[in-house]
Amino acid sequence: EVQLLESGGGLVQPGGSLRLSCVASGFTFSSYAMSWVRQAPGKGLEWVSVVGTSGASTYYADSVKGRFTISRDNSKNTLYLQMSSLRAEDTAVYYCARGLVLIDYWGQGTLVTVSS
Amino acid sequence: DVVMTQSPLSLPVTLGQPASISCRSSQSLVYSDGNTYLNWFQQRPGQSPRRLIYKVSNRDSGVPDRFSGSGSGTDFTLKISRVEAEDVGIYYCMQGTHWPGTFGQGTKVEIK
Repeated sequence: EVQLLESGGGLVQPGGSLRLSCVASGFTFSSYAMSWVRQAPGKGLEWVSVVGTSGASTYYADSVKGRFTISRDNSKNTLYLQMSSLRAEDTAVYYCARGLVLIDYWGQGTLVTVSS
Repeated sequence: DVVMTQSPLSLPVTLGQPASISCRSSQSLVYSDGNTYLNWFQQRPGQSPRRLIYKVSNRDSGVPDRFSGSGSGTDFTLKISRVEAEDVGIYYCMQGTHWPGTFGQGTKVEIK
């Protein structure tokens, strides 16, 4: 059974940093691109970033480019999202998701709240 | 970015009746490999999204056959043949053909 378990969310002040993690199980992690997708409270879904299978290829939404860094450790079946210079508008539930063009499985999400 | 426009945004439906959601993209979603990467997701209240349909019309494993997807190019439709209580939630279309992938605004399905 495919499982994706996010952690690392919490309350952070504007301008602060946070690192999210997503531990994957139930599939060959190194064979799949992995994405982060976020959902602001009461709002729709927004693709944030994606990383290729080896970690060499990364892409970011314009809204987070230069502030967020996606990475992966295939030996630990873990996906990361390093977030810095956080803004109030980054407040959202962050989902780890498997895939890119055919995104299929999602984690349960971790809530990031940016507020003073 | 490719804009995905769903309609309606709210869809009250009587149990056992059909429902239809439209999704239109601002550009063709046909990729250079010939595939059309248009997916549909269901998000039940308090849950993560779940994929129902991929590549326009392919139903995911475990998805009831009352759900079906159709369309081509820029116009796509998700149909529920007979709505059941467990279908309440928000439905999103999503394109993966063009970076960044983009989602529709969501259509809230509720029971009348």
